[in-house]
Amino acid sequence: AQSVSQHNHHVILSEAASLELGCNYSYGGTVNLFWYVQYPGQHLQLLLKYFSGDPLVKGIKGFEAEFIKSKFSFNLRKPSVQWSDTAEYFCAVNGNYQLIWGAGTKLIIKP
Amino acid sequence: DVKVTQSSRYLVKRTGEKVFLECVQDMDHENMFWYRQDPGLGLRLIYFSYDVKMKEKGDIPEGYSVSREKKERFSLILESASTNQTSMYLCASRPLTGGASEAFFGQGTRLTVV
Repeated sequence: AQSVSQHNHHVILSEAASLELGCNYSYGGTVNLFWYVQYPGQHLQLLLKYFSGDPLVKGIKGFEAEFIKSKFSFNLRKPSVQWSDTAEYFCAVNGNYQLIWGAGTKLIIKP
Repeated sequence: DVKVTQSSRYLVKRTGEKVFLECVQDMDHENMFWYRQDPGLGLRLIYFSYDVKMKEKGDIPEGYSVSREKKERFSLILESASTNQTSMYLCASRPLTGGASEAFFGQGTRLTVV
């Protein structure tokens, strides 16, 4: 069955710490992978996506993610987080029509 | 600026009421979706539509129905609201251009059923 697993439901970091959020997927077809972010009170928006080519993808606000096919993973990283990165982060993989979503990770950055 | 607009940010309804949630997109997207978002459960797909008057059940369709009479509009209907339908409801649209296309979301409707 198609699924996405996000390992951490809550992450708390101090400003300037490095971030890595895990995402593993199970999908049998051509893989397209997404990270979305939902800032408090705002709509879900695309952070970055992988569809082909370079497995290291750079997104907005200094985020990047690496697609590792052999590990079925697409982890999100940021070398130095800011208080404004406090948000919920969702990993998703493409389905036939819809995206298949992970449960989300709530990230809290302490100032 | 692309937009998915949900008619209400907050709704409070009584048990047994019929509830309509409206969503409009201005991007001429073929696909539209309704999700509910609950803490720790991520986004769960209720229904989606890939064309006018077409609809497909998602993972949790029970207690819900949908309507898509025009391409830009996708409505979610709670036939008889119950307290376990208290949730955040998200509408999204996506073009019919393959798996790499991005989904765009509305602001969400927080529904409370009392």
